[in-house]
Amino acid sequence: GQQLNQSPQSMFIQEGEDVSMNCTSSSIFNTWLWYKQDPGEGPVLLIALYKAGELTSNGRLTAQFGITRKDSFLNISASIPSDVGIYFCAGQLGNAGNMLTFGGGTRLMVKP
Amino acid sequence: SAVISQKPSRDICQRGTSLTIQCQVDSQVTMMFWYRQQPGQSLTLIATANQGSEATYESGFVIDKFPISRPNLTFSTLTVSNMSPEDSSIYLCSVDGDTTVGVFGPGTRLLVL
Repeated sequence: GQQLNQSPQSMFIQEGEDVSMNCTSSSIFNTWLWYKQDPGEGPVLLIALYKAGELTSNGRLTAQFGITRKDSFLNISASIPSDVGIYFCAGQLGNAGNMLTFGGGTRLMVKP
Repeated sequence: SAVISQKPSRDICQRGTSLTIQCQVDSQVTMMFWYRQQPGQSLTLIATANQGSEATYESGFVIDKFPISRPNLTFSTLTVSNMSPEDSSIYLCSVDGDTTVGVFGPGTRLLVL
């Protein structure tokens, strides 16, 4: 089945630093999604990308849909302590209504 | 976008018993999915809950172990049957549709002793 490789697996950074994480796939996706999961919560959608090459921002978050449709990255600028959590990428084949394939997650830790 | 609630939020169960998890959406949605998140792991799709017909299961998941109902466009249940400690996980309901993409419920945390 589909595989999404997400890296890094974990990051421990200083508050104020920028963060970058990415996902690559062996197959193409039509939609890339980025989620954040806090302890004891379900994943919360941060950014959705629908077109190859698309670059989208949401506050301090920026994500891009790779031109090949096989990769995506998420950047967080000027990290703050509340950015702590696990970030997941997910790919979706086809249009809305298809299942999601998830990356392994990036655990972000921010030192005040 | 849609708002999802799940019941129960958490439970501790004895092996050999069954637990039914409910997923309620505040609006009609086309697609409903059930995912499992094992401790420290990512999310894995169990099945697609089809309204009015049998669920579509992913490889490694079977109806006898994870029966699913979807009586209408806003509600679904997942039952974890004949539980063992290996079933200890977070079970998550998700919905998708024309105006809703990849929304997840808060999850049900299951511990099997």
